[in-house]
Amino acid sequence: GNSVTQMEGPVTLSEEAFLTINCTYTATGYPSLFWYVQYPGEGLQLLLKATKADDKGSNKGFEATYRKETTSFHLEKGSVQVSDSAVYFCALSDRAIIQGAQKLVFGQGTRLTINP
Amino acid sequence: GAGVSQTPSNKVTEKGKYVELRCDPISGHTALYWYRQSLGQGPEFLIYFQGTGAADDSGLPNDRFFAVRPEGSVSTLKIQRTERGDSAVYLCASSPGTGAQPQHFGDGTRLSIL
Repeated sequence: GNSVTQMEGPVTLSEEAFLTINCTYTATGYPSLFWYVQYPGEGLQLLLKATKADDKGSNKGFEATYRKETTSFHLEKGSVQVSDSAVYFCALSDRAIIQGAQKLVFGQGTRLTINP
Repeated sequence: GAGVSQTPSNKVTEKGKYVELRCDPISGHTALYWYRQSLGQGPEFLIYFQGTGAADDSGLPNDRFFAVRPEGSVSTLKIQRTERGDSAVYLCASSPGTGAQPQHFGDGTRLSIL
């Protein structure tokens, strides 16, 4: 079945450091890929998405590119801030979302802590 | 506007008891999902509704779990004869159900079975 594997955490960085959180997936067909973020005390929020190969999702300085050849969707940010401290989840949906709603398959999450 | 609302936010009960968890989706969203998140893990899919009907219940772990959405809006997840292994955060999400729309998550119900 479909699955998502994320870089294990926790990850601790200093402010203004470069961030990469690795995510690889296994899926049949053409999934859409997502990064969700959970800030302390808050619910899951969509951070960015990509719906087809070579698409780049971006938001709040974060980027991720849908790489079909390596089945990856790594999250990157050039200069992290203390406010980026959160748990990050990579996820896929098992069909292109233009076909309608469907379930998400999540990775196990990566806890990120940014120190000032 | 109002987001996805889940009640209660916390529920503590004894093994063997029956529990109901409620989800009030964003107004107008036809798709509703339930997920379960164990400590240190990502959410796992339980069931998906499109309107009033369960379009996919393949994630329900066993027949102790059941969910309804009788009027196509509020949904209730029901767990019978609870076990300690049912302890987790139960998340609800909704989406418009069509097109490239993301799922909006509630804050979850933290269920603890003693």
